Amino acid sequence: EVQLVESGGGLVQSGGSLRLSCIASGFSLTNYWMSWVRQAPGKGLEWVANIKRDGTERSYVDSVEGRFTVSRDNAMNSLYLQMNSLRGEDTAVYYCAKILWSGALWYFDLWGRGTLVTVSS
Amino acid sequence: EIVLTQSPATLSLSPGERATLSCRASQSVGSYLAWYQQKPGQAPRLLIYDVSNRATGIPDRFSGSGSGTDFTLTISSLEPEDFAVYYCHHRGNWPFGQGTKVEIK
Repeated sequence: EVQLVESGGGLVQSGGSLRLSCIASGFSLTNYWMSWVRQAPGKGLEWVANIKRDGTERSYVDSVEGRFTVSRDNAMNSLYLQMNSLRGEDTAVYYCAKILWSGALWYFDLWGRGTLVTVSS
Repeated sequence: EIVLTQSPATLSLSPGERATLSCRASQSVGSYLAWYQQKPGQAPRLLIYDVSNRATGIPDRFSGSGSGTDFTLTISSLEPEDFAVYYCHHRGNWPFGQGTKVEIK
């Protein structure tokens, strides 16, 4: 079955760090750009980060630039999100998602179920 | 920044009825709009991209239309599994709409 499964979420204090993982099954991550998308409680969806197939290009939403780092290990079919200097507004369910390109921008054509990150003050 | 406004916020319908969901953009997004379905505790699912293209495995009761600033997702005859929240999205790093919940009447 083609799927993405996230892990690594939990409760962390403000200023702390957390590393999220996403394992793909049923397909090879090597062939695809990947994203992280988050959803704060009761709120809408927000794109967080992208990473190119070989990891050589990365991009981030302004609010996490310099604090979050997206990476991947294609041999392990895995995607990661290292989150440092966490803030209350980072509290959300974090989804990994596979990118479907449309021109110069993208959609998300496969999502995981997400992992909840809660940042306490 | 492009803002996507979805209406109504909640749609109460019975199985077998037709559902019509609206997404309005604050400026033209051309022919670049997607619709996603989200059920509680489940992974979101891409239904429609580039306004009217159904994603892989999506049944043909789901259809998308529109251009420029006004877009519609139509579910021709609601199945029990279609009761969920639906989001529209321009592309890429642009914001998503706030969602329309389709609930059982």
